[in-house]
Amino acid sequence: RKEVEQDPGPFNVPEGATVAFNCTYSNSASQSFFWYRQDCRKEPKLLMSVYSSGNEDGRFTAQLNRASQYISLLIRDSKLSDSATYLCVVMKNNDMRFGAGTRLTVKP
Amino acid sequence: DTAVSQTPKYLVTQMGNDKSIKCEQNLGHDTMYWYKQDSKKFLKIMFSYNNKELIINETVPNRFSPKSPDKAHLNLHINSLELGDSAVYFCASSRVVNYGYTFGSGTRLTVV
Repeated sequence: RKEVEQDPGPFNVPEGATVAFNCTYSNSASQSFFWYRQDCRKEPKLLMSVYSSGNEDGRFTAQLNRASQYISLLIRDSKLSDSATYLCVVMKNNDMRFGAGTRLTVKP
Repeated sequence: DTAVSQTPKYLVTQMGNDKSIKCEQNLGHDTMYWYKQDSKKFLKIMFSYNNKELIINETVPNRFSPKSPDKAHLNLHINSLELGDSAVYFCASSRVVNYGYTFGSGTRLTVV
């Protein structure tokens, strides 16, 4: 089993749509969780951390379920500029493990 | 001012050559990393250094040798390059414990 698993997509959605990405992780001792965004031919950039209580940053909402070892990212009112690959990231002792990413394309 | 800078950005070289990629961070972070992103876009950790000491060494061929002269630099030397080494190599840094990483812009290595 991979350490971090994501649905690779691609997700093709119209502008304004709501889209959700899921991620599961295998190491129950994982301590920190993140969503990163990677544009084509660019480096990954931190989108948001994920907290047990759930957290929101504008149109983006992240949820963590430690019991199920499951992380999610919800994007509301999708914009064309949201088109990217979204990477689920799990960390233990400063060692980060990345999922393979979910590709999102938002179309006009 | 670039936080994590890698050079070169692009590297095309022949099989069997030896090459180095340099990385420097000006964030004052204690920990630096090398990741490899292959053609399937999967990011896989190779090495991690904390204050110049190696703390993670994944199953990487010993043709790959990281060197950290100080905590702001982590260079990657690759001997006897093979076709399968073609990938994008990302350097990253972080503060100790539970902070996200800052990545460099990547080095696209092509072995021909």
